Amino acid sequence: QVQLVQSGAEVKKPGASVKVSCKASGYTFTSYDINWVRQATGQGLEWVGWVSPNTGNSGSAPKFQGRVTMTSDTSINSAYMELSSLRSDDTAIYYCARRTASGWNDAFDIWGQGTMVTVSS
Amino acid sequence: DIQMTQSPSFLSASVGDRVTITCRASQSIGSHLNWYQQKPGKAPKLLIYYTSFLQSGVPSRFSGSASGTDFTLTISSLQSEDFATYSCQQSISTPRTFGQGTKVEIK
Repeated sequence: QVQLVQSGAEVKKPGASVKVSCKASGYTFTSYDINWVRQATGQGLEWVGWVSPNTGNSGSAPKFQGRVTMTSDTSINSAYMELSSLRSDDTAIYYCARRTASGWNDAFDIWGQGTMVTVSS
Repeated sequence: DIQMTQSPSFLSASVGDRVTITCRASQSIGSHLNWYQQKPGKAPKLLIYYTSFLQSGVPSRFSGSASGTDFTLTISSLQSEDFATYSCQQSISTPRTFGQGTKVEIK
């Protein structure tokens, strides 16, 4: 079945970097962008950015620019999000999500299970 | 950035109730509005895309509509499995932005 499986929980110190992976299966990986969304405890969803496995192009929300890098490896159907200069307010669950953009349907239709990233000294 | 404002933030309802959740965009987004359902400890699930189109497998008791920059998610007869948090999201521009969520709890 179509699914995205993410890497396990991470605990990092302030100032460090974290790299979260997202492995796709059940569909043609290069046909859909992968987006990253995060959610702090008890808070709403916050879009981080996207990567196109087809072209390698990526983009991010302004607040993350310069601190986030999104990449993909088509040989193993995986996408990655690396966030640097971590702060305590980066503590959140990070989700990868497949963006379906077909006609009027432009939404995140498949989600990974989430990766908890904790930033603590 | 386009700001999405949901109301209410919290809603208490009973099984069988008709429930309405509203999402207001800070500027025109046409019909580029999606709704997601999220249960505790789980990833969000796409319910409705482009204002009113049900994602495959979503029960017909869910529906979406719009009036200008105001969007509505309606659950015609609330079921026990519908108790969750619902979030709207605009898909017309980046950064993609979400509403803060509406938690639907059992009365």
